[in-house]
Amino acid sequence: QSVLTQPPSASGTPGQRVTISCSGSSSNIGSNYVCWYQQLPGTAPKLLIYRNNQRPSGVPDRFSGSKSGTSASLAISGLRSEDEADYYCAAWGDSPSGWVFGGGTKLTVL
Amino acid sequence: QITLTESGPTLVQPTQTLTLTCTFSGLSLSTSGVSVGWIRQPPGKALEWLALIYWDDDKRYSPSLKSRLTITKDTSKNQVVLTMTNMDPVDTATYYCAHGSAFDIWGQGTLVTVSA
Repeated sequence: QSVLTQPPSASGTPGQRVTISCSGSSSNIGSNYVCWYQQLPGTAPKLLIYRNNQRPSGVPDRFSGSKSGTSASLAISGLRSEDEADYYCAAWGDSPSGWVFGGGTKLTVL
Repeated sequence: QITLTESGPTLVQPTQTLTLTCTFSGLSLSTSGVSVGWIRQPPGKALEWLALIYWDDDKRYSPSLKSRLTITKDTSKNQVVLTMTNMDPVDTATYYCAHGSAFDIWGQGTLVTVSA
C-alpha cells in the first residue's frame, strides 16, 4: 500500500489532455515539493517534474505539474502514443518517513 | 554528464545479506549538496524508496526497512553501497540508484531475485 494515492489507470486519445492526480497528507505533499516520474516499459524511471511544477531540461512543455494543499496533479497535453507509460508521483515525507511514492498510474493512449 | 550503474548479485538465497554497489561518474559525493539514493521496484509493482546518503555522510532510511539497511559511500571510488540483511523472497525487485534531491538521474537498475 503506497503512501501517496494515484488512480491505477488513465487513458486518452492522441491530441487530448489528460491529468493524473496524486493525493497525500500534510506531512508529505502538504509540506514538501512533489516530483513526477515517467517509466516506459522495461526502462528506469525518468524525472518529468520537480519542485511541483518545474521541468528538467529536455522535458517537453506538454508536461506540467501543479500542487494544491495535500494533492498534486500531472497534466499531459497534446497526448502522443509515446506517452504511454507508467507515471509516479513522489514527495519527501516529514521525519521519519523519508521519500514516499504513489502506486503509479498506467497511461494508455487509445 | 552524470551516469550511475548498479552492480551486485542477481540471485540471493533467503536469509542472506544483499550488497549492491552504485558506481557513478559526473558527480562527486564530496561536493556540498550532493546525494545518492536507492529505490526498488518489485516486478509489476510500484517504486519504493529505501535509503539516501548525503555528501556530509548524513543518512536516511525507509522506516519500514531501517533495521535491515545500511548505506555507505566511498568518495575516492565514486561509489555508494547498500546492504540489506535477512533477504526474503518478497525482496525480489529491480534495485535502482539515483542522483540528487529529486532523483533526476537514475541507473538502469539491477534485478535481484531471492530464492533458494
